[in-house]
Amino acid sequence: AQKITQTQPGMFVQEKEAVTLDCTYDTSDQSYGLFWYKQPSSGEMIFLIYQGSYDEQNATEGRYSLNFQKARKSANLVISASQLGDSAMYFCAMREGFIKTSYDKVIFGPGTSLSVIP
Amino acid sequence: SAVISQKPSRDICQRGTSLTIQCQVDSQVTMMFWYRQQPGQSLTLIATANQGSEATYESGFVIDKFPISRPNLTFSTLTVSNMSPEDSSIYLCSVVRTDVAKNIQYFGAGTRLSVL
Repeated sequence: AQKITQTQPGMFVQEKEAVTLDCTYDTSDQSYGLFWYKQPSSGEMIFLIYQGSYDEQNATEGRYSLNFQKARKSANLVISASQLGDSAMYFCAMREGFIKTSYDKVIFGPGTSLSVIP
Repeated sequence: SAVISQKPSRDICQRGTSLTIQCQVDSQVTMMFWYRQQPGQSLTLIATANQGSEATYESGFVIDKFPISRPNLTFSTLTVSNMSPEDSSIYLCSVVRTDVAKNIQYFGAGTRLSVL
């Protein structure tokens, strides 16, 4: 069964506007971590933001914020003031059991392709 | 963050040959992870490499096809053996760094492999 769902294969946003990329996940663990990564056409995976399941506040990193709704099992990425350089693939990912160990694997969603329009 | 160097960054290979990908990390880590990303797809974990023991492979991946070495705490190699065009993918090395009690997974720049 798919553990990470990203329902938007492709998204367009006007430059300087905000955009929300959706992510829902499935786990029976109480302890887990959620990640968002950006992958430009070069192929490298760039870490953007992290949210732990016990974190009470939504994570923020510069123009990136994570809208974490635990009961709904959603972890949407919000990018404010979009820039042309934000055009890339975005992946939501999860590690289960993160408190117990850092050795547990991270699984990835299918990704969302974001295009920023001038 | 972590500095992870992967070599080669890209290669074009003939079917039936093998390619070894190197991953060097700027400090010691317990586990190193190897991922594959097929064209247009998401990342799939191939195996987890622990120093001093055999790698643990995920379902669908076998040691004969993807042998991994982990000779020390900063280095690992992944070999793609007896390649076919289906092996054309990006291969990524990854490590976990603990930053303010957060275990963050970082990735190398990847190796873009094309098999003819």
